[in-house]
Amino acid sequence: EVQLVESGGGVAQPGGSLRLSCAASGFPFDDYGMHWVRQVPGKGLQWVALLNWDGGTTYYGDSVKGRFTISRDNTKNFLYLQMNSLRPEDTALYYCARGAYGSGTLDLDYWGQGTLVTVSS
Amino acid sequence: QSVLTQPPSASGTPGQTVTISCSGSRSNILSNSVNWYQQVPGAAPKLLIYTNDQRPSGVPDRFSGSKSGTSASLAISGLQSEDEADYYCATWDDSLNGFWVFGGGTKLTVL
Repeated sequence: EVQLVESGGGVAQPGGSLRLSCAASGFPFDDYGMHWVRQVPGKGLQWVALLNWDGGTTYYGDSVKGRFTISRDNTKNFLYLQMNSLRPEDTALYYCARGAYGSGTLDLDYWGQGTLVTVSS
Repeated sequence: QSVLTQPPSASGTPGQTVTISCSGSRSNILSNSVNWYQQVPGAAPKLLIYTNDQRPSGVPDRFSGSKSGTSASLAISGLQSEDEADYYCATWDDSLNGFWVFGGGTKLTVL
């Protein structure tokens, strides 16, 4: 069974940093791309970042480019999101989601339950 | 405002068929596959449709997807009360360096 469990959320001050983690199990983690997607409570989904299977290729949404860094440890089956220069508008529930296997088109198929990030002074 | 446009709301009575639209452009829907997600309050999104019209195992065949040009649609037939949820379309956009985009979401009410 595919499982994705996020952690690391909490309260941070504007300008501060947080590091989110996502523990993956139930599938060959190092064969899949991985995403972070966020959702302001009561609002829609916003894609944040994508990392390919070996960590060599990254993509970011415009609103986080230059501030957030997605990374992974394939030896531990973990995905990370380093969030720097946090802004109040980064307040959201952050989901990790499984990406595509190789160049396949089945993408963003399994999601964790999310971890809540609040940026406030 | 999202790159992909969905109606904010839709409704239907039990047993009816409801269709939700998702309008994009040549850099996203025209060029790439579309996913659809269902999200009930308090839960993570669940994949309903991938690659425009494919259902993951376990998704009832009451849910179907289609794509034509720069638009995609999700149809729900035999509407049931448990279908009341938010629905999102998503796809890759080829512009700039590439990025995933979601529609703004459609809240489906079963009357």
